[in-house]
Amino acid sequence: AQTVTQSQPEMSVQEAETVTLSCTYDTSESDYYLFWYKQPPSRQMILVIRQEAYKQQNATENRFSVNFQKAAKSFSLKISDSQLGDAAMYFCAYRRTGNQFYFGTGTSLTVIP
Amino acid sequence: KAGVTQTPRYLIKTRGQQVTLSCSPISGHRSVSWYQQTPGQGLQFLFEYFSETQRNKGNFPGRFSGRQFSNSRSEMNVSTLELGDSALYLCASSPGTADGYTFGSGTRLTVV
Repeated sequence: AQTVTQSQPEMSVQEAETVTLSCTYDTSESDYYLFWYKQPPSRQMILVIRQEAYKQQNATENRFSVNFQKAAKSFSLKISDSQLGDAAMYFCAYRRTGNQFYFGTGTSLTVIP
Repeated sequence: KAGVTQTPRYLIKTRGQQVTLSCSPISGHRSVSWYQQTPGQGLQFLFEYFSETQRNKGNFPGRFSGRQFSNSRSEMNVSTLELGDSALYLCASSPGTADGYTFGSGTRLTVV
């Protein structure tokens, strides 16, 4: 089975600073998708960013960007200009077409005013 | 556009009882998946339905079952509840098989 590892259970960042959350995954497949989800205290999981494995270009969504290293099976999330509203649990996830998602154990991000 | 709707939001049940949770996906989404979220185990996959057929199933006992209706709405049933079934149950829908999920707000189930 595929595994997704988030080695940082907790992270903190000063407001307006940049923080990077790490994620590694294990797969023997070449075609798959990677995601970052955010779960604030309201508990609804929100899609932050999506990356197709066949695309070499790193995905970006406003202040959120990823560093996708396919050979290293690494998929980190960078949050620039951190805001108080970014405080949440962040989950990295892997999916192959037609298959279930595999989630990491999450990283709890605290934003310090 | 309405999001994924899960009902009820909170539920308290007694050990041994059964429970049914409901999920209405985003209009047009044919894939519905269910996850159990607990502090100790994280997000664990229960099952996925696509066009009324169960396509994938996680490693849960047979007490956990689900179904999907022709309008894509899905229900999840847990029979003979155990204390360890206390969790947040999340439903997620997607248009197809390679898309990201849109999650509902979940149903918080407490078994006493």
